[in-house]
Amino acid sequence: QQQVKQSPQSLIVQKGGISIINCAYENTAFDYFPWYQQFPGKGPALLIAIRPDVSEKKEGRFTISFNKSAKQFSLHIMDSQPGDSATYFCAASREGANNLFFGTGTRLTVIP
Amino acid sequence: DTGVSQDPRHKITKRGQNVTFRCDPISEHNRLYWYRQTLGQGPEFLTYFQNEAQLEKSRLLSDRFSAERPKGSFSTLEIQRTEQGDSAMYLCASSVQGDEQYFGPGTRLTVT
Repeated sequence: QQQVKQSPQSLIVQKGGISIINCAYENTAFDYFPWYQQFPGKGPALLIAIRPDVSEKKEGRFTISFNKSAKQFSLHIMDSQPGDSATYFCAASREGANNLFFGTGTRLTVIP
Repeated sequence: DTGVSQDPRHKITKRGQNVTFRCDPISEHNRLYWYRQTLGQGPEFLTYFQNEAQLEKSRLLSDRFSAERPKGSFSTLEIQRTEQGDSAMYLCASSVQGDEQYFGPGTRLTVT
């Protein structure tokens, strides 16, 4: 059973456009929601994370929007660049838990 | 480089052989995690250490898998009698406290 559902599976965006990746969860005990970026042959790199006490968090071109009532959260990449082409994973964990539950990933391609 | 390091980066082995991977966490990170990632999927939690104590194991961690962190610093993950289904990327992550887990580059295992 997939604890975190992620969509789309793949995404193609023009340079300068906005990339949007969505995730949904069922477990209301989840209280930490990070996003990871992974390049081929590399480990996932922590990009940005949010807790349910805020509805939005922005770091540079990356923004997480969080909708607690809908149990959904999304990653927005503004002014997408070819260097952003990678696989993005959302994840979630419960307070006091030690494991992250990951989505299945979104392969983003930014075309010049 | 002060990030998480893993060795080897690639390992090819024949079915039935034993393999051992090593992870060196970020200095002073007392928490260490092992995950497994198969092609096209997000990482899946295997086990967790706080200092030298192994505090949590996933049911994915069969009896053929064993992990240690003898002095609370580096960790090893051993797979005995490897099977083709063990082929995956094995990722190590570390954290200080709380949720921010930082991943290493992974060890890609191929069982032939």
